Formats: sequence, structure tokens, C-alpha cells
Amino acid sequence: VVMTQSPLSLPVTLGQPASISCRSSQSLERSDGNTYLSWFQQRPGQSPRRLIYRLSNRESGVPDRFSGSGSGSDFTLKISRVEAEDVGVYYCMQSSYWQSGGNFGQGTKLEIK
Amino acid sequence: EVQLVESGGGLVQPGGSLRLSCAASGFTFSDHFMDWVRQGPERGLEWIARIRNKAASYSIEYAPSVKGRFSISRDDSKNTLFLQMNSLKIEDTAVYFCTRDRSGAADSWGQGTLVTVSS
Repeated sequence: VVMTQSPLSLPVTLGQPASISCRSSQSLERSDGNTYLSWFQQRPGQSPRRLIYRLSNRESGVPDRFSGSGSGSDFTLKISRVEAEDVGVYYCMQSSYWQSGGNFGQGTKLEIK
Repeated sequence: EVQLVESGGGLVQPGGSLRLSCAASGFTFSDHFMDWVRQGPERGLEWIARIRNKAASYSIEYAPSVKGRFSISRDDSKNTLFLQMNSLKIEDTAVYFCTRDRSGAADSWGQGTLVTVSS
């Protein structure tokens, strides 16, 4: 499964919304009804941190300005109002199919304008 | 508090071997699937190996880039995850992260250990 993110670079004004798209080469919906699509944030110099799991479930402690949505093979991470601490690289990852690697998207670098 | 602490990284020549360890604490290690994920210099994240728990027969998956050269294992009695890396290539140079799976994907990450393959 190939994961494709866009844009790869995202300059945003503080307080403005931001949106990152992630597309998979095949549908990620499993027969159990779940879609195993996660979003991760990697701040400069830090390990990645999971924000969203199973499409739209926010990790404990993640601000509610982060939300995940989508279906099938088309997914979106939205930040309702960007704050300075949101600077970093965001990755989508599929775990519906553990085969052939390629589970992460290329990453989207969010920066403040 | 969940803690994952990787060790064993270092400088190795092409064709050499290295064994990484990940000491886990703060949770029931034996219950969880565990993964290794790496990040090359100025590059994105690459999942490379998964080992499931006893209930899933300790089944294993590898990314094509490391299959046949790397081997993932675990010692549930010592709460430790391992990655044996053989026939190392320059392109294996990366920070290697140990991760815990919960709800289908990595929810906890270690700080990473740097592996440099160079002559």
C-alpha cells in the first residue's frame, strides 16, 4: 500500500486553519469495519507522537483543534487554529495491511508564515 | 508511565552486524505487538519490522528493504525487544525507534538509537 501526502510543505499563519491530505493506493477499510489510519506529529528534535488513530480517534492529551476524517482511501488531518507549538512534520500511516512496507506517507512539513 | 529505551546503536562498516535492544517499562510488555521504525538522515519514517504477541503466535513481518538481513525478536520475561541487523548497507544509516502498538498502530515511541553504516 502506497501512502501519498499533500502538500509536502505547508506554511500557515498563526490562528489560521490547516489541512493535510493523505491518500492510499487501496481502501484501508477492513472487514471488521475499522479503518487503520493514524496521524503522527514529529516536532523538531523529538520522536514522533501519535495524534489520531483508527481514522478519527484523538489520542489522550491531544488538543481538540486536531481532527482526523475521511473514508476508503482519502483522509484528512485538520488543525482548526494553528499554534506555534504545531510546527513540525506530520505523517499519515496505514496499518490495515502489514505487507510490503510503505506504511507511512512522505510527511508534510508545517511551518509558521 | 510507558517507557521505551533503545540501545546498541553505533558506527559499523558496510557488511557488518549490530544488535539493537529496547527496554520496555510501565506497561504489560507481553500483551503488545511491537515494531521497529527507522528514520534516515533528513528523511521520513520507515516501518521495518513487527513482532506480535504470544496470543498471535509471535508472528513477524518485515519490510522488503530489510527482509532476509534483519531479525526481530522479543524476550517477554525481560520486557525487551531486539533487532538483529546483518549485512548492513550504507542506506541502513538511520535513527532506529522502538514502538509499542495499541489500537492498531504505534502509540508510544522511544527516543531512538543512531546506527551509522560507513567505511
